[in-house]
Amino acid sequence: GAGVSQSPSNKVTEKGKDVELRCDPISGHTALYWYRQSLGQGLEFLIYFQGNSAPDKSGLPSDRFSAERTGGSVSTLTIQRTQQEDSAVYLCASSSSAGASTDTQYFGPGTRLTVL
Amino acid sequence: AQKVTQAQTEISVVEKEDVTLDCVYETRDTTYYLFWYKQPPSGELVFLIRRNSFDEQNEISGRYSWNFQKSTSSFNFTITASQVVDSAVYFCALIITGGGNKLTFGTGTQLKVEL
Repeated sequence: GAGVSQSPSNKVTEKGKDVELRCDPISGHTALYWYRQSLGQGLEFLIYFQGNSAPDKSGLPSDRFSAERTGGSVSTLTIQRTQQEDSAVYLCASSSSAGASTDTQYFGPGTRLTVL
Repeated sequence: AQKVTQAQTEISVVEKEDVTLDCVYETRDTTYYLFWYKQPPSGELVFLIRRNSFDEQNEISGRYSWNFQKSTSSFNFTITASQVVDSAVYFCALIITGGGNKLTFGTGTQLKVEL
């Protein structure tokens, strides 16, 4: 079946602009995650959605970052007033969690964000 | 807090050599899961294996094998008879039950397999 898809694959923006990154999880997966991969920080957890529960936002680096998940499927990560340090690859993952916290996470190809 | 250490930043081998990628983890939890992911140049993280803390049996899948030792908190990955297509960055990761579903990743090991 289809894997996790993300769009756009690349995004170049100017400092101060807002950006939206999209993630389509594997069909039927109830859990969705966002991670960030940057040279200086490695792979970092950002946010986690599970079904209709309140998301775990503990990894979001600042209030300029937000995410939503509509209809329990597609998710959008929004970064407001982008800064150069936001430049990174943003990875989305999903898992077929029925509540287990340790189900395998399957990753999408990522969105490479460059802030000029 | 959890931590995963991959001390090898980069390894270069010649095709057909065996290579072992090291992973050492730290956690106070007794129930946890360990993972290996492969990130080829295309950038997508590809799941390779998952192992829970109660199962210390080693696993072999084709040319890949994994050695899990709780006594040394290690979960090492060996590629036998390496091939150029194995060239990638390999990440070891840890997740604990009740830990908010967050994967804690190591910094990755860049493997280069040359002809």
